[in-house]
Amino acid sequence: AQSVTQPDIHITVSEGASLELRCNYSYGATPYLFWYVQSPGQGLQLLLKYFSGDTLVQGIKGFEAEFKRSQSSFNLRKPSVHWSDAAEYFCAVGVYNQGGKLIFGQGTELSVKP
Amino acid sequence: GAGVSQSPSNKVTEKGKDVELRCDPISGHTALYWYRQSLGQGLEFLIYFQGNSAPDKSGLPSDRFSAERTGGSVSTLTIQRTQQEDSAVYLCASSSTGGGNIQYFGAGTRLSVL
Repeated sequence: AQSVTQPDIHITVSEGASLELRCNYSYGATPYLFWYVQSPGQGLQLLLKYFSGDTLVQGIKGFEAEFKRSQSSFNLRKPSVHWSDAAEYFCAVGVYNQGGKLIFGQGTELSVKP
Repeated sequence: GAGVSQSPSNKVTEKGKDVELRCDPISGHTALYWYRQSLGQGLEFLIYFQGNSAPDKSGLPSDRFSAERTGGSVSTLTIQRTQQEDSAVYLCASSSTGGGNIQYFGAGTRLSVL
């Protein structure tokens, strides 16, 4: 069965520091992978996606993620965190042969220290 | 419309009452998804529509939950005889064709069952 694991429930980083959020997936074929961000009281906003091709993908707000098939990982990175990045981040895999429904990880809450 | 619209944004109901949650997808999007976000279970898939048909209802937690979509547009999620464990945020998403395409999320309906 498909699954997504985000090992870190909560991460705190200082403003200006680099960030890496971990995501591991279990899927029987080439996955469609997504990172979404959710601010309090808001819906989910897409940060970036991986469908195929270049394994390093760029997203909005200065985020990037790298797909590593050998490690079944799709970690999200940002070189310098801003206070406005504080939010909850969700990694998801899209199940293509089931209409593209998303299987989400449990989420990582990011806090930013001034 | 410009984005996915959900109503109401908040709903408080008494245990045992029925509730209806509405989703208005992005115009022209044929695929529509319902998810539930709760503290204990994270983000869970409920049901997927392609047009007015629901090929995947596998996430509906019990027969108290049902959904329909009319005119290939608006969808309604109905919960009958609500229970306290139904308290959650219900999120709707739409995408242009389903499969691995990007899903765009609404802000959600926060349901509280007293």
